[in-house]
Amino acid sequence: EAGVTQFPSHSVIEKGQTVTLRCDPISGHDNLYWYRRVMGKEIKFLLHFVKESKQDESGMPNNRFLAERTGGTYSTLKVQPAELEDSGVYFCASSQTAGGGTEAFFGQGTRLTVV
Amino acid sequence: AQSVTQLDSQVPVFEEAPVELRCNYSSSVSVYLFWYVQYPNQGLQLLLKYLSGSTLVESINGFEAEFNKSQTSFHLRKPSVHISDTAEYFCAVSLRGGYQKVTFGTGTKLQVIP
Repeated sequence: EAGVTQFPSHSVIEKGQTVTLRCDPISGHDNLYWYRRVMGKEIKFLLHFVKESKQDESGMPNNRFLAERTGGTYSTLKVQPAELEDSGVYFCASSQTAGGGTEAFFGQGTRLTVV
Repeated sequence: AQSVTQLDSQVPVFEEAPVELRCNYSSSVSVYLFWYVQYPNQGLQLLLKYLSGSTLVESINGFEAEFNKSQTSFHLRKPSVHISDTAEYFCAVSLRGGYQKVTFGTGTKLQVIP
């Protein structure tokens, strides 16, 4: 069974450009999460989808970030326009249920560098 | 709100020596506790978790962690480390009864020296 897949694995873009990250969750997992780790800091929650609906987007930094999950399958996270402070590793995770204590499976992450 | 503190950003240890990675948490409500591991060039993997019951939990590769409610700690230990244990380890919590929104610590890089 395939795990959570993210691409690209790396992206280097200039300040002001747009970047779209993609996450394919494990098949059948209704719950999808985005997290971000800025260099040297903790991994921070961005948002949570249940199927195609946003359950919690309290961690989204600002309106330059737009997450979608059309059809409740894969998800995209768009940053437009990108700023230097957006650099970091973006992780996606999925889980079958959403109860606390349920194991979430993480992807390898996308390393975004804004120059 | 919850928070997780991992005071040690890096821990070097010789192969076959014991290791302890420290984790303290803060929360006004009950939480579940986790340790995740990230091996080089890989994603995060769940190492072990405490949900309820015995306060000592173990992983399949010899790590163990003990939940200490009075000290709000969940330290990770291994009596004898191997080179393959070199990785970054993240302590994390999530709310009981809530959905799987995880609060992570800043991570501890374990470097096993041959």
